[in-house]
Amino acid sequence: GAGVSQSPSNKVTEKGKDVELRCDPISGHTALYWYRQRLGQGLEFLIYFQGNSAPDKSGLPSDRFSAERTGESVSTLTIQRTQQEDSAVYLCASSPGDRDSEYFGPGTRLTVT
Amino acid sequence: RKEVEQDPGPFNVPEGATVAFNCTYSNSASQSFFWYRQDCRKEPKLLMSVYSSGNEDGRFTAQLNRASQYISLLIRDSKLSDSATYLCVVTPNTGNQFYFGTGTSLTVIP
Repeated sequence: GAGVSQSPSNKVTEKGKDVELRCDPISGHTALYWYRQRLGQGLEFLIYFQGNSAPDKSGLPSDRFSAERTGESVSTLTIQRTQQEDSAVYLCASSPGDRDSEYFGPGTRLTVT
Repeated sequence: RKEVEQDPGPFNVPEGATVAFNCTYSNSASQSFFWYRQDCRKEPKLLMSVYSSGNEDGRFTAQLNRASQYISLLIRDSKLSDSATYLCVVTPNTGNQFYFGTGTSLTVIP
């Protein structure tokens, strides 16, 4: 079956511009996660959505970062006024919930110039 | 204190060797445990879940020690294709967040 998909796969943007990253989770997965991974670093949790509950935004690094999810489908991560330190791979993952394992998309590689 | 800690390595082992990684977690009430594998410039992929009684999948054996709060991954008869970063993952007893270790790098040498 179809896995988690993300778009775009690569994004190059100028400092100060806004970007929007998209994630399509596996159908039926109630939980959706966003992570950031800088080059050579570990995964940094950003935000997660569980069904219709309020999202856990505790990992968002600043108010320039926001994310939305419509029901149990697509999610978008928006970064406003991008900075060079935002350059990283942004990974989305989904899970059936109940602490089942999560499945990752291929990521969006963001480069801020 | 970090939720999950791993030795970053790198581990460089010859083909055919046996190698073991450990990972410690801070929350004694943690609920679920996993090992993920991440190849260079790729997304993490689930390698195996870790069950209380320990479990094996081919050349891979995972074990959980709740008393000492660590999990381990043993790889027997290492292959070149095992070269990757291995991530330890723990979930808490409440909520659905996953806590990832920073990963242990393995290179299997011909």
